[in-house]
Amino acid sequence: AQKVTQAQTEISVVEKEDVTLDCVYETRDTTYYLFWYKQPPSGELVFLIRRNSFDEQNEISGRYSWNFQKSTSSFNFTITASQVVDSAVYFCALSGTIQGAQKLVFGQGTRLTINP
Amino acid sequence: DVKVTQSSRYLVKRTGEKVFLECVQDMDHENMFWYRQDPGLGLRLIYFSYDVKMKEKGDIPEGYSVSREKKERFSLILESASTNQTSMYLCASSTNPGLLNTEAFFGQGTRLTVV
Repeated sequence: AQKVTQAQTEISVVEKEDVTLDCVYETRDTTYYLFWYKQPPSGELVFLIRRNSFDEQNEISGRYSWNFQKSTSSFNFTITASQVVDSAVYFCALSGTIQGAQKLVFGQGTRLTINP
Repeated sequence: DVKVTQSSRYLVKRTGEKVFLECVQDMDHENMFWYRQDPGLGLRLIYFSYDVKMKEKGDIPEGYSVSREKKERFSLILESASTNQTSMYLCASSTNPGLLNTEAFFGQGTRLTVV
């Protein structure tokens, strides 16, 4: 079975602090993809990043960085110098195939609040 | 830009009513999905479809059905709405069935309240 766990339900920090969102996953597949999505108050999930199971290099995009560690089945997301606009619910997701179609399994989500 | 459009942002329905949630995407995507989002539970897959007239059950299909008569449109049907179906419903689409690396594109969600 595939499962994604985001243990942090809510995080609240002051603007400019760094914050890390944790994601742990379970899968028996050898080939899989991991994703992070952002859900701002408007409700629409926005794709942030995708990482395949064979690429353990960390990735940095501006203030965002991702740390993928296959040994611990984790795919953590760090925001550096957080801003109020980063306030949102963040979802980690794992991609698998069922009957030939892609299926995304989501974690419970982490609500991040950045206070001015 | 990919657009996934859900017909309503907010809906209030009575218990026992038949409810239709509509979703349209404009990028010729093969895959379409319906999720419901509840606090503490994340997004749970209700049904998905990887082709016209094809449908597959997700993790929580009970009380729901779907229809996909055209490639761009995927409808979620609550046969007899109940209060435990009060939730946020999210539609998504993606391309290339069988490719794991394609991100899904989401609609803005429909917040359904059943009274």
